Amino acid sequence: NAGVTQTPKFQVLKTGQSMTLQCAQDMNHNSMYWYRQDPGMGLRLIYYSASEGTTDKGEVPNGYNVSRLNKREFSLRLESAAPSQTSVYFCASKEERGTDTQYFGPGTRLTVL
Amino acid sequence: AQSVTQPDIHITVSEGASLELRCNYSYGATPYLFWYVQSPGQGLQLLLKYFSGDTLVQGIKGFEAEFKRSQSSFNLRKPSVHWSDAAEYFCAVGRMDSSYKLIFGSGTRLLVRP
Repeated sequence: NAGVTQTPKFQVLKTGQSMTLQCAQDMNHNSMYWYRQDPGMGLRLIYYSASEGTTDKGEVPNGYNVSRLNKREFSLRLESAAPSQTSVYFCASKEERGTDTQYFGPGTRLTVL
Repeated sequence: AQSVTQPDIHITVSEGASLELRCNYSYGATPYLFWYVQSPGQGLQLLLKYFSGDTLVQGIKGFEAEFKRSQSSFNLRKPSVHWSDAAEYFCAVGRMDSSYKLIFGSGTRLLVRP
């Protein structure tokens, strides 16, 4: 069991470039999430997907798009990167019963110049 | 509005000393409360959670937390800190529905003196 995996681990972009952050989970979870983490601000929810084929906006969705490709994969796309999107991005998935815990991936550190 | 406040940005304790990290929340309904820990360069790991029942919950690594509804608090405690506990700690509040969104506090960084 790999849990939640994210690629890449690090990325540097120039302003205006695009890229997709990949996330996959092998725990058969229905719900998946994308967060960004900025110093002094904790984690803020960008988008989430309660089930395959559905996505919803979180607290800070502007400048991002997501795709729930299948039950395992949930990608985050930056169409035109801006310096304000420099952050650490975490993907998470949630088990559906019992503890309902969210499990986090190791993160992607993104710098936009 | 729903919010979580962790009033201490940094806390430094000596190894072997006791620890208490504060968390206050603002939530319209009965909250579900969590503490996560993040080691440098790592993702978040769940320490413990409160959904209902006994207000004193035990977690991993010797941590515990107490839910106090009257004070809207969910403080994290450990009786004796180890050097490996140095990390950043996040309190979060959520609700049980289809979205199950978590709201995180801004975190408390724990430093441990040898």
